[in-house]
Amino acid sequence: DTAVSQTPKYLVTQMGNDKSIKCEQNLGHDTMYWYKQDSKKFLKIMFSYNNKELIINETVPNRFSPKSPDKAHLNLHINSLELGDSAVYFCASSQVNWNTEAFFGQGTRLTVV
Amino acid sequence: QKEVEQNSGPLSVPEGAIASLNCTYSDRGSQSFFWYRQYSGKSPELIMFIYSNGDKEDGRFTAQLNKASQYVSLLIRDSQPSDSATYLCAVRPNNNDMRFGAGTRLTVKP
Repeated sequence: DTAVSQTPKYLVTQMGNDKSIKCEQNLGHDTMYWYKQDSKKFLKIMFSYNNKELIINETVPNRFSPKSPDKAHLNLHINSLELGDSAVYFCASSQVNWNTEAFFGQGTRLTVV
Repeated sequence: QKEVEQNSGPLSVPEGAIASLNCTYSDRGSQSFFWYRQYSGKSPELIMFIYSNGDKEDGRFTAQLNKASQYVSLLIRDSQPSDSATYLCAVRPNNNDMRFGAGTRLTVKP
């Protein structure tokens, strides 16, 4: 069983379109995250949720809207896609304790053309 | 100032040598520190974590933490070509947050 799974793995779309990435974790974790990794490999936090509640929103354009229907799911919807949105997006989850690791999904490579 | 800073790299070492990776962080309240390895096209995977000052060893890997200097390092002994990857330093400033450095790309040459 995959611990953190996100779909799709690849997404190619045109500028101006709207797209969603889904994430599910079966680890029983309370905290889930979205990260964006650019071409230089910098893994930047976008959002974190604790048990469906938004905790961190890191100066992300409001075209990005996360949604957490329950604590096992955290989806990312992106409106009006731009070329600069091309990146790999990782979902992750962790226990709420500060001394525990985050587990990552396989990533979604988004290419905006 | 970036929250977590790492050697920009790339770092190249010969097979069998020691690779030394460094990381500094800005939030003095951070309590736990992690090293992840990421192969090209894959997701980050945990190598080690540390939260007490001093050294922590796991096989060929040793993590070192100095909270007074806000410094974390990872030593890889007897480096192997399979260790070639990007190494990400991460810090948990609080329970619902994890911040990463920009990563150091390591190449181990046979």
